[in-house]
Amino acid sequence: GESVGLHLPTLSVQEGDNSIINCAYSNSASDYFIWYKQESGKGPQFIIDIRSNMDKRQGQRVTVLLNKTVKHLSLQIAATQPGDSAVYFCAENNPPGYALNFGKGTSLLVTP
Amino acid sequence: DGGITQSPKYLFRKEGQNVTLSCEQNLNHDAMYWYRQDPGQGLRLIYYSQIVNDFQKGDIAEGYSVSREKKESFPLTVTSAQKNPTAFYLCASSSGTGEVVSPLHFGNGTRLTVT
Repeated sequence: GESVGLHLPTLSVQEGDNSIINCAYSNSASDYFIWYKQESGKGPQFIIDIRSNMDKRQGQRVTVLLNKTVKHLSLQIAATQPGDSAVYFCAENNPPGYALNFGKGTSLLVTP
Repeated sequence: DGGITQSPKYLFRKEGQNVTLSCEQNLNHDAMYWYRQDPGQGLRLIYYSQIVNDFQKGDIAEGYSVSREKKESFPLTVTSAQKNPTAFYLCASSSGTGEVVSPLHFGNGTRLTVT
């Protein structure tokens, strides 16, 4: 498949553990943030989003935390499964009204 | 099923040739986007369109061209002026435009190899 994970930061976790993937964003004026999951050879899949008027949002097994003070975003995955192995991207609307601006991604590897 | 279709999945071209990548969506979305992805890098915006017959350059538009004659279609032409065309190209659409932001829905990409 495509080597989109080459040279990316890698997080290795054991199956069943919780995962935390971090992301620093660049523009304090950004008001929309989103996480995507990309498996090898496929397009990114939407996981969860959050707007700047919120600090936390939960989905199924995932939680996104937004710290506007330090411009930091995190994705927490509960009870990580082998199917969660992928590259994870955060994105912000930078500048607001523009298309999404993506980070470089983090490769998550789930080991049995 | 609603979604975004990119074709072909793999495309091979000789240097100096123009090539057009197809992107079709049946989600009734107003906005469509083209991103480029290289190994170890995030997605970089090439062009986007928020309405039919209108489009804007993204961060790396040089060597590319687009058209938006129909709401459903947003083809990307990689011209011979693009210095490093070999990459994974991703098309996306969204219902939000301008200040109204909504998630992008992506196709499964076209891997272009130019030799």
